[in-house]
Amino acid sequence: NAGVTQTPKFRVLKTGQSMTLLCAQDMNHEYMYWYRQDPGMGLRLIHYSVGEGTTAKGEVPDGYNVSRLKKQNFLLGLESAAPSQTSVYFCASRNGQANSPLHFGNGTRLTVT
Amino acid sequence: EDKVVQSPLSLVVHEGDTVTLNCSYEVTNFRSLLWYKQEKKAPTFLFMLTSSGIEKKSGRLSSILDKKELSSILNITATQTGDSAIYLCAVPNTNAGKSTFGDGTTLTVKP
Repeated sequence: NAGVTQTPKFRVLKTGQSMTLLCAQDMNHEYMYWYRQDPGMGLRLIHYSVGEGTTAKGEVPDGYNVSRLKKQNFLLGLESAAPSQTSVYFCASRNGQANSPLHFGNGTRLTVT
Repeated sequence: EDKVVQSPLSLVVHEGDTVTLNCSYEVTNFRSLLWYKQEKKAPTFLFMLTSSGIEKKSGRLSSILDKKELSSILNITATQTGDSAIYLCAVPNTNAGKSTFGDGTTLTVKP
């Protein structure tokens, strides 16, 4: 099993450009999450989904949109990238049991110039 | 608002030393606390703690929860350079389906 796969691994954008980050999991997990990680700030939740067709805002949702059209995929979109969105983005998933641990992808390093 | 605080934020030790990492939390509907290790890429799961006073152990790593003090510690004995990583503490909010993470402790083990 591949687990959680994120694409792309790296990306450089110019201010104002748009892009979509793709997360795919093959574990039939109900819950999926997008986090961003900045130096010294741990993992901050952007958006999450508790099931196919549902999404919810996390701590830092502004400037991002998400979609969960299929259970195995969770897309993160940046409509108009800003330098403040330079970060490492992690996708994670878990099953529906309470307290189940998160399974993370290897991250996408995004630089906005 | 749920809050998870880790200390210290960074730590530098030499091989063979023992370290203790701390995690304190203020959350509603507490059920569990999880520790993760992050090396170069994805965080990986270490321990889940649900009950006070019961130690979880894996090799040189161990962890324990204190619900009265709303805290947990992660101990690493006889540290090795391969233990160098960011250690993350997280507390799930089971009602909301999401987890709150601390800022992490960056551990550097020098040869």
